[in-house]
Amino acid sequence: GAGVSQSPSNKVTEKGKDVELRCDPISGHTALYWYRQSLGQGLEFLIYFQGNSAPDKSGLPSDRFSAERTGGSVSTLTIQRTQQEDSAVYLCASYQTSGFYEQYFGPGTRLTVT
Amino acid sequence: GENVEQHPSTLSVQEGDSAVIKCTYSDSASNYFPWYKQELGKRPQLIIDIRSNVGEKKDQRIAVTLNKTAKHFSLHITETQPEDSAVYFCAATHPTSNTGKLIFGQGTTLQVKP
Repeated sequence: GAGVSQSPSNKVTEKGKDVELRCDPISGHTALYWYRQSLGQGLEFLIYFQGNSAPDKSGLPSDRFSAERTGGSVSTLTIQRTQQEDSAVYLCASYQTSGFYEQYFGPGTRLTVT
Repeated sequence: GENVEQHPSTLSVQEGDSAVIKCTYSDSASNYFPWYKQELGKRPQLIIDIRSNVGEKKDQRIAVTLNKTAKHFSLHITETQPEDSAVYFCAATHPTSNTGKLIFGQGTTLQVKP
């Protein structure tokens, strides 16, 4: 079946503009993560949604970052007033919280803030 | 919360040699330990995982060992090949807990020299 998809694949934006990044998880996966990966760096946790529980927002680096997950499926990560240090690859991942725990990653959105 | 430490950060081996990457975790309740491989420019993908009810798991040239008492687990790659060159991430979680968040290590860049 279809894997995790993300859009856009690449986004170039000017400093100060807002951007929205979209994640379509695998159907039926109740848990969804957003990570940020700067060039040559590790996976920086941003936010975690699990079912109907309140999201774990502890990784969001500032109040310019927010995310929502509508209907337990699609998620949108919004970055307001983008800064150059926001440039990175933003990865989304999802998994089923029962049975197999493999986390499936999307291809990522490469964000460049000029 | 859980904290995962991964060593070494970089590892260079000759083709055919073995490679070992080690991780320690802090939360004794964690019971699921996956390893992800990320090739250059690609998304992380699960290569092997282990649950806390076993001490070792093998899949062809890769194996993972778990020491619950010491709270550490290791990835072993035997007969390394150039295509094993990638960044490897360990992780730990208690997937079915209220905070079933997957915590990643910092990553190990493995270079296999032909």
